[in-house]
Amino acid sequence: AQKITQTQPGMFVQEKEAVTLDCTYDTSDQSYGLFWYKQPSSGEMIFLIYQGSYDEQNATEGRYSLNFQKARKSANLVISASQLGDSAMYFCAMREGHVNRGSRLTFGEGTQLTVNP
Amino acid sequence: ETGVTQSPTHLIKTRGQQVTLRCSSQSGHNTVSWYQQALGQGPQFIFQYYREEENGRGNFPPRFSGLQFPNYSSELNVNALELDDSALYLCASSTGTRAYNEQFFGPGTRLTVL
Repeated sequence: AQKITQTQPGMFVQEKEAVTLDCTYDTSDQSYGLFWYKQPSSGEMIFLIYQGSYDEQNATEGRYSLNFQKARKSANLVISASQLGDSAMYFCAMREGHVNRGSRLTFGEGTQLTVNP
Repeated sequence: ETGVTQSPTHLIKTRGQQVTLRCSSQSGHNTVSWYQQALGQGPQFIFQYYREEENGRGNFPPRFSGLQFPNYSSELNVNALELDDSALYLCASSTGTRAYNEQFFGPGTRLTVL
């Protein structure tokens, strides 16, 4: 069964510095997608970045980049130039694309990021 | 473009009651997924609807049921509520069911069962 592991329950970073949030995954499928979401205390899940299993280049979206190492089954999120507004819970998720089974997202337990001024 | 909306925002029920949560998918999206997020945990997949048919279900009992309407909006129904059903219920919509189909989440419905 697919599984996502986030080993950092909490992380702290100084404003304007970069931070890496770890994510490892386990799947036997060849086709899958990896997602990172941000969840502020309000509860809404905000999409940050996506990496497809066949994408050869690491995904980037503004200050967010995904360090995808397929052989190691890791998909770490890098946030550059942290801002106070980045303080939130961050979830790594994986989606397998089998139409017949429904392409559910499997989430990790999350990492609570705190940005200090 | 209208995003994913959910109603109600908050809900308080008592054990044994029934509840219906609603979700309007983003314009152009034909797939809706429902997730349950207990406090301090990651969301857990409940089920997904694709073109009005259930298309995958997580490890949830039959008292969790759903519908998708022709306009692709969706309902989540929970019968015989239990205390452990207290959670944030998230709805997500996407343009399809493939791995690369990005999912957009609504703001959630926070259900409290007393």
